[in-house]
Amino acid sequence: NAGVTQTPKFQVLKTGQSMTLQCAQDMNHNSMYWYRQDPGMGLRLIYYSASEGTTDKGEVPNGYNVSRLNKREFSLRLESAAPSQTSVYFCASRAGQGNSPLHFGNGTRLTVT
Amino acid sequence: GENVEQHPSTLSVQEGDSAVIKCTYSDSASNYFPWYKQELGKGPQLIIDIRSNVGEKKDQRIAVTLNKTAKHFSLHITETQPEDSAVYFCAAGNFGNEKLTFGTGTRLTIIP
Repeated sequence: NAGVTQTPKFQVLKTGQSMTLQCAQDMNHNSMYWYRQDPGMGLRLIYYSASEGTTDKGEVPNGYNVSRLNKREFSLRLESAAPSQTSVYFCASRAGQGNSPLHFGNGTRLTVT
Repeated sequence: GENVEQHPSTLSVQEGDSAVIKCTYSDSASNYFPWYKQELGKGPQLIIDIRSNVGEKKDQRIAVTLNKTAKHFSLHITETQPEDSAVYFCAAGNFGNEKLTFGTGTRLTIIP
């Protein structure tokens, strides 16, 4: 039982390049999330998907797109990376109720030069 | 929207002593308050949570207290051990709202 799996673990991009961060969960959870973590700023929500087929913006969605491919997978795409997107990205999932716990992956450390 | 403030940002305590981390929130509709522990190189893991219909919850050496009137909640770790060293995050949310708002984190260091 792997929980939430993120790939890749590390990535370096040049400004303007694109890439997709992958996330998959095996807990049959309905809701999935993408957060970014920056020093001194905690975890900020980028996008979330309350159920298969739906996505919504979070606190910091600009510069990102997401796809809920199926119930298991939720990807985050950077179309034209910028240095301000250097961060650690976490995918999370939960059963779906608003007061159920989040389960996080181990993160992707992204550097944009 | 919800705003969560967390203090202190860093905390060092002697092994065996207690540690307390405090959070305040702004949205009176929030009714779910989890605490997460993040070890180096890993994602945050839930360690304890509390819902607004209770004032305190304990799990071995960890306890959380909630004061809904004052809109603040706290994490208490007793008899601290070296493995308690980590970054701790509080969060606030409510049933029916998909979003959890996180505090900015507290780096706890246990001094042997």
